[in-house]
Amino acid sequence: DTGVSQDPRHKITKRGQNVTFRCDPISEHNRLYWYRQTLGQGPEFLTYFQNEAQLEKSRLLSDRFSAERPKGSFSTLEIQRTEQGDSAMYLCASSLVYLEGAVYNEQFFGPGTRLTVL
Amino acid sequence: AQKITQTQPGMFVQEKEAVTLDCTYDTSDPSYGLFWYKQPSSGEMIFLIYQGSYDQQNATEGRYSLNFQKARKSANLVISASQLGDSAMYFCAMTPGGTNAGKSTFGDGTTLTVKP
Repeated sequence: DTGVSQDPRHKITKRGQNVTFRCDPISEHNRLYWYRQTLGQGPEFLTYFQNEAQLEKSRLLSDRFSAERPKGSFSTLEIQRTEQGDSAMYLCASSLVYLEGAVYNEQFFGPGTRLTVL
Repeated sequence: AQKITQTQPGMFVQEKEAVTLDCTYDTSDPSYGLFWYKQPSSGEMIFLIYQGSYDQQNATEGRYSLNFQKARKSANLVISASQLGDSAMYFCAMTPGGTNAGKSTFGDGTTLTVKP
């Protein structure tokens, strides 16, 4: 199966600790997205990459959050000094977009990483 | 800014009947794409159907169809012949075009329960 994978699937940490999540997109996809989903809500956009370039960051992404996509392949999302409010499901998605500004943007989602901050 | 509104937190439908899940959107972008995703209890988001803002015909994918009314800014999902496996959370989402392309906005979802 060559779908989007995320690691770890579950993470429990104590407040104040740093955590890092990894996402491996579908290999030929040029775009990679990070979303956060809390219980009973839809995914909220955090950031996205076009190849290795980070093109947009949401206002939700405080300076404790950083994302990278070195070499335009896998991506990491790091949260520093975690807070209880960071507890959520972190979803990664990837897509293949041919044209700048294209609206057909079917995103393939990974299984998510569920973060619990105690 | 884009906004997606799903006004039905929960819906029930009898097996083999059709059901409509509502979605309204707000955007100032002239071009955009509308998507529906299914999220079963396992948590994975599954793409169902897409409608482009300039598409003249409503999209269909098997038992799924999208009732697109551009003037009303609505993009309702119709599931025909419901099956027990359709029980899940359903999200409507929008991707703008132009310089905003890439950033998707999701609604808060509708939980569909199919009764035997």
